[in-house]
Amino acid sequence: RKEVEQDPGPFNVPEGATVAFNCTYSNSASQSFFWYRQDCRKEPKLLMSVYSSGNEDGRFTAQLNRASQYISQLIRDSKLSDSATYLCVVNPGGGGNKLVFGAGTILRVKS
Amino acid sequence: GAVVSQHPSRVICKSGTSVKIECRSLDFQATTMFWYRQFPKKSLMLMATSNEGSKATYEQGVEKDKFLINHASLTLSTLTVTSAHPEDSSFYICSARTDTYGYTFGSGTRLTVV
Repeated sequence: RKEVEQDPGPFNVPEGATVAFNCTYSNSASQSFFWYRQDCRKEPKLLMSVYSSGNEDGRFTAQLNRASQYISQLIRDSKLSDSATYLCVVNPGGGGNKLVFGAGTILRVKS
Repeated sequence: GAVVSQHPSRVICKSGTSVKIECRSLDFQATTMFWYRQFPKKSLMLMATSNEGSKATYEQGVEKDKFLINHASLTLSTLTVTSAHPEDSSFYICSARTDTYGYTFGSGTRLTVV
């Protein structure tokens, strides 16, 4: 089983739509969680950290369910510029500050 | 914020040659640098963790003699792909972590071995 699993998509949505995608992680001791965005042939960029209480940043909302080892990302009012690959990223703990990346979910927002 | 400068951004080399990739922390000291590799449509895979002044720690399955990592100063870490082969063609990215800014990534190096 992969440490971090995501639906690869692609999710094709019209502008203005609400889209949600999810991620599961295998290590119950994982300590911190993030969503990164990666554009084609570019480095990943932090979208938001994910907290147990859930958190929102503008149109983006992230949720964490530790019991189910599940992380979600909701994007409201999708923009064309939201088209990218969204990476679910986990710090599995155990020291060293390593990150484990999911393979990413492709989002395509179309006009 | 913290900036990591990675060079070169693209390199094409002949099979059997070596390629050096540099990552510099521009406005902070990076005691630890993480090196990742990403194949097309795949996730970033951690190759090794370099620590200033000591040997790098390699992930399982990564050949340390093939991927030489040097972290001789607090602002520079290098990855050298030795005797490169076409299967080494990939996107290589470095990342440093600070308490203030979290994880900062270099812009990546796209290596093509012909």
